[in-house]
Amino acid sequence: QKEVEQNSGPLSVPEGAIASLNCTYSDRVSQSFFWYRQYSGKSPELIMSIYSNGDKEDGRFTAQLNKASQYVSLLIRDSQPSDSATYLCAVGRLLLNQGGKLIFGQGTELSVKP
Amino acid sequence: DAEITQSPRHKITETGRQVTLACHQTWNHNNMFWYRQDLGHGLRLIHYSYGVQDTNKGEVSDGYSVSRSNTEDLPLTLESAASSQTSVYFCASSESAGWVDTQYFGPGTRLTVL
Repeated sequence: QKEVEQNSGPLSVPEGAIASLNCTYSDRVSQSFFWYRQYSGKSPELIMSIYSNGDKEDGRFTAQLNKASQYVSLLIRDSQPSDSATYLCAVGRLLLNQGGKLIFGQGTELSVKP
Repeated sequence: DAEITQSPRHKITETGRQVTLACHQTWNHNNMFWYRQDLGHGLRLIHYSYGVQDTNKGEVSDGYSVSRSNTEDLPLTLESAASSQTSVYFCASSESAGWVDTQYFGPGTRLTVL
């Protein structure tokens, strides 16, 4: 079992629809969760971070976290063609007496059709 | 503005040569990371550092080394380049100690080993 799992896609949605991206993780003690967007040929850029159970909204983006189910999702409302990219889920792992590192899923490719 | 830069952006080298990829950040972040990204494998951690003189191996560290002599720089050295090291390399940095914080990525270096 991979530590962080995402559906690879591609996920195709029509313009204006809601895109739902899902991620599960295996380490129950994880405390920090991140969604990055990566356009083709570019570096990952942070969209959202979430640390507590529930929803966190930022514009058209909503991150949802359920630690009991070890599940984190990203909803994109009113999807635009410019949202077409690969979305990376990352889970924080804190190392004893040190800092921490991120464990990345393999990413979900999203395609928004005009 | 603070930023993280990588150089060169593109590099072609031959098998067996030593190659050094540079990473420089002006955020004064304690933590720096090197990843490689390959199709089908996502982002994989090579080496990381939590401060000056501190370095740690990631999941794919064989054939790579790093050194941290100041806060701003974490160069990645391929001791004897192999074709399997053809990849896109990303450097990242984050601020916090004792917590897994957001990582900010550089633009990447595309390395080809012939």
